[in-house]
This record gives sequence, C-alpha cells and structure tokens, in this order.
Amino acid sequence: NAGVTQTPKFQVLKTGQSMTLQCAQDMNHEYMSWYRQDPGMGLRLIHYSVGAGITDQGEVPNGYNVSRSTTEDFPLRLLSAAPSQTSVYFCASRQGGLNTEAFFGQGTRLTVV
Amino acid sequence: QQQVKQSPQSLIVQKGGISIINCAYENTAFDYFPWYQQFPGKGPALLIAIRPDVSEKKEGRFTISFNKSAKQFSLHIMDSQPGDSATYFCAASPSRRSGAGSYQLTFGKGTKLSVIP
Repeated sequence: NAGVTQTPKFQVLKTGQSMTLQCAQDMNHEYMSWYRQDPGMGLRLIHYSVGAGITDQGEVPNGYNVSRSTTEDFPLRLLSAAPSQTSVYFCASRQGGLNTEAFFGQGTRLTVV
Repeated sequence: QQQVKQSPQSLIVQKGGISIINCAYENTAFDYFPWYQQFPGKGPALLIAIRPDVSEKKEGRFTISFNKSAKQFSLHIMDSQPGDSATYFCAASPSRRSGAGSYQLTFGKGTKLSVIP
C-alpha cells in the first residue's frame, strides 16, 4: 500500500515564486491535513479538510491555499513564497470518525531563498 | 496559546535505561492522547495512544501513564535501545464532534531522544 504520498521531496524556491505541494492518499480517508514542522516548534496545522469540497484553516494558514476536489488529493499552494515558509511540510490523512490514527507522508523539505 | 506542553526538549539515556517524556494539556475537551515517533527524514508514525478512561496503557516496552485530574500524561520507554533514538511527539484531540475542526490533533513541540550504547 502506498499510504500517503507527497511530492516533491525537496524544493528550492525564490522569494515571490508560487508552487503546489502535492499530497495523495489511497486509503479512502475522509480527513486530510497539512502541517509544517520547524525546529523547536513541533507540528503546526496549516489547513485541513473533512471531506471533498470542505476545507478550513488551522493554526498557521497565512500564505497558503488548499482545495479538496477529490477524496484522494489535497494539494497545498504557496501563493508567493517567503523565507519564513522555509520548513518541512507533512500531509496526513485519517479515517472518518474520531480518535483514529493519522498517517503521515514522508514530507517535503522546502527552502525559500 | 500552546495547548499541549511537552518536556524535555531533548533527552539522552543510556542503553537499558528508562526514558520518560511528559506532556500537559489545557483543553478539558481533549480525550484522545496519542504519541507519535519520528525518525530523521521520515514522517511521524503512531506509537501508542490512550483514552482517559484508563490510567495506563502498555505495549511492549512503551507505556503511557495518564493523570486526568492533573491533565498530564507521559510516555515511558523501558530498556531503552539505540533504535529508539528518534523524536517523540505527544498529541491530543477532542472526542466529541463540536464542529468541523473538532477532530484535529494538537501536537506538543517534540522531544529528541538519543539512546547511547
């Protein structure tokens, strides 16, 4: 099973550029989320979705957009990259319902110069 | 506002020793408490989880202790091994659906564990 697949694994952007981080899951999970991980800051929620067509903001949404047109895919868009967005980004999915295990992708390491 | 506080930030333990990581939470609506383990270059993976209807849960060398009145929970790793060296995150989420966001996991800042031979 592929689980949660993120692409690319590494990316370097120039300030002001835009890009999309891809996330796909093959477990038919209802819930999907994007987190960023920074040293000493843990995992901070950017955006999440509880189903196709439904998204909402997390703790640190500024500078990011998401959409959920299918159950499988949950792309994260950086509108105008800034050095403060240099981070490791993780996508996660969970089965519908509560208290279920979150499955994480391998992460995308993004550097904005 | 940090809803889940985790300590210590880093921990060095000798092989065979006990590793203890502590977490405290503020939101009384939280009642699902998982621990995630992350190796370098990988995504976090669920290690063990507890609900507050029990005070302790054990899976192999890993034990969660839960103190509902103090709003604290901890991870104990017995007979720590070099292969346990990783970053550990505690997390919490509510169980009652109060809205679209109520299922969200809130993570602590992580503890980097190093087990030395």
